[in-house]
Amino acid sequence: QVQLQESGPGLVKPSETLSLTCAVSGGSVSSYYWSWIRQPPGKGLEWIDYISNSGTTNYNPSLKSRVTISVDTSKNQFSLTVTSVTAADTAVYYCARVMVTSLKTDGYYTYYYMDVWGKGTTVTVSS
Amino acid sequence: DIQMTQSPSSLSASVGDRVTITCRASQSIGTFLNWYQQKPGKAPKLLIYAAFILQSGVPSRFSGGGTGTDFTLTISSLQSEDFATYFCQQSYSTLALTFGGGTTVEIK
Repeated sequence: QVQLQESGPGLVKPSETLSLTCAVSGGSVSSYYWSWIRQPPGKGLEWIDYISNSGTTNYNPSLKSRVTISVDTSKNQFSLTVTSVTAADTAVYYCARVMVTSLKTDGYYTYYYMDVWGKGTTVTVSS
Repeated sequence: DIQMTQSPSSLSASVGDRVTITCRASQSIGTFLNWYQQKPGKAPKLLIYAAFILQSGVPSRFSGGGTGTDFTLTISSLQSEDFATYFCQQSYSTLALTFGGGTTVEIK
């Protein structure tokens, strides 16, 4: 089955750019939607973005001006870039697969849910 | 953005107890509601999607309900491995997949 593994620098200086990668195994990165989620220390989950299998992207409005998600099919991975980081970007960053499924509940609807997660990578923003 | 509010933020319970966690959306979201479980130091795990559909492999003591703005996650008989933090997430607005603040279930 699909497994995900995040990788990144661990420590980033304020105002610099953070780049993270999520390696996909057990499946093709071209076949699914993918997302990044983060969790500041001791806090809840914050959805960052997702990218569809056709390359369409959606971003958290509060982060939209600073984040980019992209897919590299040659390496079977996807990436997150966050520019102009501050201490508020310190968090555990998770990558996840977004399942997009049509179901009949009280009508036919398309549901999004994150069914496979990486273990997370800790990013600290500090000088 | 659609705001998701969970209550309580934490609760204490004993093994064997029936536990119910509530999630409220700031607007109607139909059944576009997912539940996740997170244990300390671990990634979240999908429990329920579309408000009431149990993810494969999740024990049947977990159940979800609700529609519109009010949702529940119920654990029928709490087990030791269920002590964790639970998050709801709405997927009605796919432009912003917001999470609730979390509910921590602690041992009494």
